[in-house]
Amino acid sequence: KQEVTQIPAALSVPEGENLVLNCSFTDSAIYNLQWFRQDPGKGLTSLLLIQSSQREQTSGRLNASLDKSSGRSTLYIAASQPGDSATYLCAVRQGDSWGKFQFGAGTQVVVTP
Amino acid sequence: GAGVSQSPSNKVTEKGKDVELRCDPISGHTALYWYRQSLGQGLEFLIYFQGNSAPDKSGLPSDRFSAERTGGSVSTLTIQRTQQEDSAVYLCASSPGRSNQPQHFGDGTRLSIL
Repeated sequence: KQEVTQIPAALSVPEGENLVLNCSFTDSAIYNLQWFRQDPGKGLTSLLLIQSSQREQTSGRLNASLDKSSGRSTLYIAASQPGDSATYLCAVRQGDSWGKFQFGAGTQVVVTP
Repeated sequence: GAGVSQSPSNKVTEKGKDVELRCDPISGHTALYWYRQSLGQGLEFLIYFQGNSAPDKSGLPSDRFSAERTGGSVSTLTIQRTQQEDSAVYLCASSPGRSNQPQHFGDGTRLSIL
């Protein structure tokens, strides 16, 4: 059974620092991995999606890497801003069940001005 | 609107009652997903619809839970004889079917069972 773990569970940084969020998964047979952001009381907003054949994806200040063989993905957020405060979740799409995503519990990020 | 719409946004009901939660996906999205998010927990997969194929119901926690999708668009998640442990945020997502495209989520329905 796929297990997705996110470390740390919570993170607080001063504005301007770079953020590094980690996601690990136990079964490397994935179709893709997706990073989401969730604001309080809201649904999830997709940030980046990395296909299983890719090593990284970039969008603006965000960069996500994927090392499938070691079961790891890292989300980097450069020059953090208070507006980056949210919970960040990663999810893997399993190879044996197209529709089933397995989510991590998330990392709660606070960026202080 | 252009996004995934869920209703109601909040629902409070008494233990033992039935509830229906509605999801209106993005137009043209053939894939629809239901998840449950309990306090302090990650998202738990419930059910997945893809076009006219049989849904993947493997995540439904008990036979009190059921879901349907009419006309390949709107979906309803029904919980019968609700119990306190059913209290959670129920999230719906849609995506453009069998492609490696991201899911788009609604804001969820916060269900509280008294």
